Amino acid sequence: GAGVSQSPSNKVTEKGKDVELRCDPISGHTALYWYRQSLGQGLEFLIYFQGNSAPDKSGLPSDRFSAERTGGSVSTLTIQRTQQEDSAVYLCASVFGEGSPLHFGNGTRLTVT
Amino acid sequence: DQQVKQNSPSLSVQEGRISILNCDYTNSMFDYFLWYKKYPAEGPTFLISISSIKDKNEDGRFTVFLNKSAKHLSLHIVPSQPGDSAVYFCAASAGGTYKYIFGTGTRLKVLA
Repeated sequence: GAGVSQSPSNKVTEKGKDVELRCDPISGHTALYWYRQSLGQGLEFLIYFQGNSAPDKSGLPSDRFSAERTGGSVSTLTIQRTQQEDSAVYLCASVFGEGSPLHFGNGTRLTVT
Repeated sequence: DQQVKQNSPSLSVQEGRISILNCDYTNSMFDYFLWYKKYPAEGPTFLISISSIKDKNEDGRFTVFLNKSAKHLSLHIVPSQPGDSAVYFCAASAGGTYKYIFGTGTRLKVLA
């Protein structure tokens, strides 16, 4: 398909374990975002990648969270030592250029038990 | 600091009537506004956008109105259909930046 692809769609993990979430953006899109939606909350900005520029990590909630984007395409969001408050839907989006709408994947629902 | 606010968490409308979803913002630097629709277990999908140089943009049954002086935008859906039942998010960004700030969403239920 031509859309943003995220995997896994669901992830259940035990508190204290590390998790990796993957995002495959739309081909040709220059920028990639990670957002999360906690229960009853809006979409919270986490991190943004644009081309070869340094990523904007200003939304990452703690140093347990990190993300990388390899080859300007696929991105991985890593959460170390997961906590119950990390439970949320993690959404990835890509965009063709500034001033264009974001295109979202279907998200990864993370549950930390 | 919630820069984009959707003060109505939910809204119910009869099929065929108009749905009006509201959004307020505080940052006067915002100049690009978007509405997204989200079904359960799916990512948000883009509906319609408006630039601050306009006060209205229309696409089929969807119209977005922007009142810059009031820092307010609204989405009108006419006529509303049961398939429109979803959570609607407004979002905003400031020119020269890339950060899209989202509201908390309004759950719309269109009753058949």
